[in-house]
Amino acid sequence: AQKVTQAQTEISVVEKEDVTLDCVYETRDTTYYLFWYKQPPSGELVFLIRRNSFDEQNEISGRYSWNFQKSTSSFNFTITASQVVDSAVYFCAQWISGSRLTFGEGTQLTVNP
Amino acid sequence: DAGVIQSPRHEVTEMGQEVTLRCKPISGHDYLFWYRQTMMRGLELLIYFNNNVPIDDSGMPEDRFSAKMPNASFSTLKIQPSEPRDSAVYFCASSPRSGNPANEQFFGPGTRLTVL
Repeated sequence: AQKVTQAQTEISVVEKEDVTLDCVYETRDTTYYLFWYKQPPSGELVFLIRRNSFDEQNEISGRYSWNFQKSTSSFNFTITASQVVDSAVYFCAQWISGSRLTFGEGTQLTVNP
Repeated sequence: DAGVIQSPRHEVTEMGQEVTLRCKPISGHDYLFWYRQTMMRGLELLIYFNNNVPIDDSGMPEDRFSAKMPNASFSTLKIQPSEPRDSAVYFCASSPRSGNPANEQFFGPGTRLTVL
């Protein structure tokens, strides 16, 4: 069975702080994909990143970075120098072949000015 | 190119009524997904299509729910009869490239359904 756990329900930081959103996944499959999506207050879901299970390279995109570690089944997301516009719900998700995209429960990030 | 289009954006109806939600995927996308989001259950995949054919409908909660994709540019999700517990935001998403449903999914703005 696949499961995605985002243990942090809510995080509140002050602008310019760095913040890391945790994601732990469970699967017995060797081939899978991991995703992060952002849901701002407007409601739509915005794709941020996709990683396949064979690519453990960390990735950086501007102020965003992702740390994929198969040894701990984690795919954590860090925002550097957070901004108010980063306030949103962030979802981690997993896709296994022959299965479906399973989302975590989401982490509500609030960045205060 | 326009993104995924959903209509209506908001729907308020009374219990027992039929509700039809509509989705136009991004042109050229092979996969179409219907999701439901609630506070209690989070984001759930209801059904997805590949090239207009339903592939996995195991997430459809019960027979009151049905989905169709008569052509590559249009899909509907119907609830009949509707119940208050169906109140949720329903998202449609589409994904490009055949053969890999694990590609990035582009989500529509959602339809907020309230069943009184």
